[in-house]
Amino acid sequence: EAQVTQNPRYLITVTGKKLTVTCSQNMNHEYMSWYRQDPGLGLRQIYYSMNVEVTDKGDVPEGYKVSRKEKRNFPLILESPSPNQTSLYFCATYDRMNTEAFFGQGTRLTVV
Amino acid sequence: EDQVTQSPEALRLQEGESSSLNCSYTVSGLRGLFWYRQDPGKGPEFLFTLYSAGEEKEKERLKATLTKKESFLHITAPKPEDSATYLCAVRAAGGTSYGKLTFGQGTILTVHP
Repeated sequence: EAQVTQNPRYLITVTGKKLTVTCSQNMNHEYMSWYRQDPGLGLRQIYYSMNVEVTDKGDVPEGYKVSRKEKRNFPLILESPSPNQTSLYFCATYDRMNTEAFFGQGTRLTVV
Repeated sequence: EDQVTQSPEALRLQEGESSSLNCSYTVSGLRGLFWYRQDPGKGPEFLFTLYSAGEEKEKERLKATLTKKESFLHITAPKPEDSATYLCAVRAAGGTSYGKLTFGQGTILTVHP
């Protein structure tokens, strides 16, 4: 079964405490991406990756880091989280430019 | 800059009352227009991809159409289980943003029994 798995699903943390949200896919897709979803602002792309060791910024990359050391994994790193990073985060994967993206179930992050 | 605007923001229908959702877009060369359905607290679920003006796709009570400037998602005789947020997204043809999906803000559809 095709899966995009994010962990954790829910996280409450404090300002400044480094955290990592993991994303793993079993479809051998080249392209992976992170989005955040906020009320009234919709889904906005944070970073994306075209292949191993190839990443690029999306629309809202400030305060985030990513890495792509393996094809199946694309973790999202918040080095020093702030309350304005409280949001619902989604990881997405797709295998070619024209195909649809598959989304994970989301990670709800609260930074206090 | 690629832009996607969806209307209306929210739509309430009675069961069986057909209607349409609109997605207007501005993109530097369309590589694909995508429709997704999203239920509360869940990830978007793929519905359709459209590539060129005039193209149409159908799935159960849903039909998506595409022109050079907009796409419509037609819902025929909706049922309460069709209630969800419907998202439209575009992917540009090239340049530095070729890996990027740009989403609209979505239309929240509620179908009353």
